Amino acid sequence: SQKIEQNSEALNIQEGKTATLTCNYTNYSPAYLQWYRQDPGRGPVFLLLIRENEKEKRKERLKVTFDTTLKQSLFHITASQPADSATYLCALLNYGQNFVFGPGTRLSVLP
Amino acid sequence: DSGVTQTPKHLITATGQRVTLRCSPRSGDLSVYWYQQSLDQGLQFLIQYYNGEERAKGNILERFSAQQFPDLHSELNLSSLELGDSALYFCASSVGLAESYNEQFFGPGTRLTVL
Repeated sequence: SQKIEQNSEALNIQEGKTATLTCNYTNYSPAYLQWYRQDPGRGPVFLLLIRENEKEKRKERLKVTFDTTLKQSLFHITASQPADSATYLCALLNYGQNFVFGPGTRLSVLP
Repeated sequence: DSGVTQTPKHLITATGQRVTLRCSPRSGDLSVYWYQQSLDQGLQFLIQYYNGEERAKGNILERFSAQQFPDLHSELNLSSLELGDSALYFCASSVGLAESYNEQFFGPGTRLTVL
């Protein structure tokens, strides 16, 4: 069956450290993968998009990697700050189908 | 502010009733997506429209329907409501088709409570 999973429901890290979030998928053939940030009671906000033929993308303190062999994407936030605390969602667009979102990882950056 | 507007913000209704949720996409965006988010199900894709035509369908129940009008705003109609339909409903928009590597801009959501 098709599945998209994110490594953990919640992740706590110390301010200044690098947060690494994982997104794994099974039985999908994604054209691309996106990462979104969602704060409580608000709509998701787009962060990064990575295509199937790209290995890595960066934007300021954010980095995303995409390994189609492992069927995995990693999302990194370097020099994390308490303001980075939120739920992070990965989403993929399956060829010929539609968007599928992961369950999300709730990140807490502790001062 | 994403530029996507949704009305109403909150809706409380009874089982068996019918409601309509409204979405106005960002200026210039042709695609509209509807999602349902509940605590136990996460963010579930319901349906997508592009320039007035249905483009993709997800886990949308037969009791639910949607349309996109010539001015590109969209409505999601939910009928014969059940307790389990209580959720946050998000609308998102993008410039083009999903296959064109477009990011989605999400609205603030409509919180539906069915009593």
